[in-house]
Amino acid sequence: DQQVKQNSPSLSVQEGRISILNCDYTNSMFDYFLWYKKYPAEGPTFLISISSIKDKNEDGRFTVFLNKSAKHLSLHIVPSQPGDSAVYFCAASAYNFNKFYFGSGTKLNVKP
Amino acid sequence: DVKVTQSSRYLVKRTGEKVFLECVQDMDHENMFWYRQDPGLGLRLIYFSYDVKMKEKGDIPEGYSVSREKKERFSLILESASTNQTSMYLCASSFRGRASYNEQFFGPGTRLTVL
Repeated sequence: DQQVKQNSPSLSVQEGRISILNCDYTNSMFDYFLWYKKYPAEGPTFLISISSIKDKNEDGRFTVFLNKSAKHLSLHIVPSQPGDSAVYFCAASAYNFNKFYFGSGTKLNVKP
Repeated sequence: DVKVTQSSRYLVKRTGEKVFLECVQDMDHENMFWYRQDPGLGLRLIYFSYDVKMKEKGDIPEGYSVSREKKERFSLILESASTNQTSMYLCASSFRGRASYNEQFFGPGTRLTVL
């Protein structure tokens, strides 16, 4: 039973527009969330994180929003660039778990 | 530049063979992890290790074992490979402390095909 879900396997966006990637979780104990980006033939690389004491964290073009009551987080990329085309994984954890739970990933395609 | 390397990018093995996947990190990390990535299922944790000779089962340890004799090296062993172990295998490492809160650094992955 997946505790972290990314219900959109793929997303296509025009260059310069906003990309919004969504992630839902079921375990209310999760208190730390990350997004990873994965290019083909490479391992995932860390993108941005957020702690449950915040509802927003921003890093350049990337912003993560956390809605604890809805058990939902989203990653916004503004403006989207062709180099952002990759698979994005969200992950969640809690102190007692000592590990991350990953979603199934969303493949983002940014069209020039 | 931090690095996690995996011994093979692609591997083809026959059913019943013993398979070794090697992972080496140069960041002096205490925690190391093995995941498999399958379409629609994301990354699933097989085993992790928080110190030399220490290991803990992840979510799908069946059919796998691990070895950590040196801090920088973490090996995944398929004792008798089966076709349902065909997958992408990813190794990761992170700093000392609760693995829950430390960013993990990933290797490039090994695409294993079991025929």
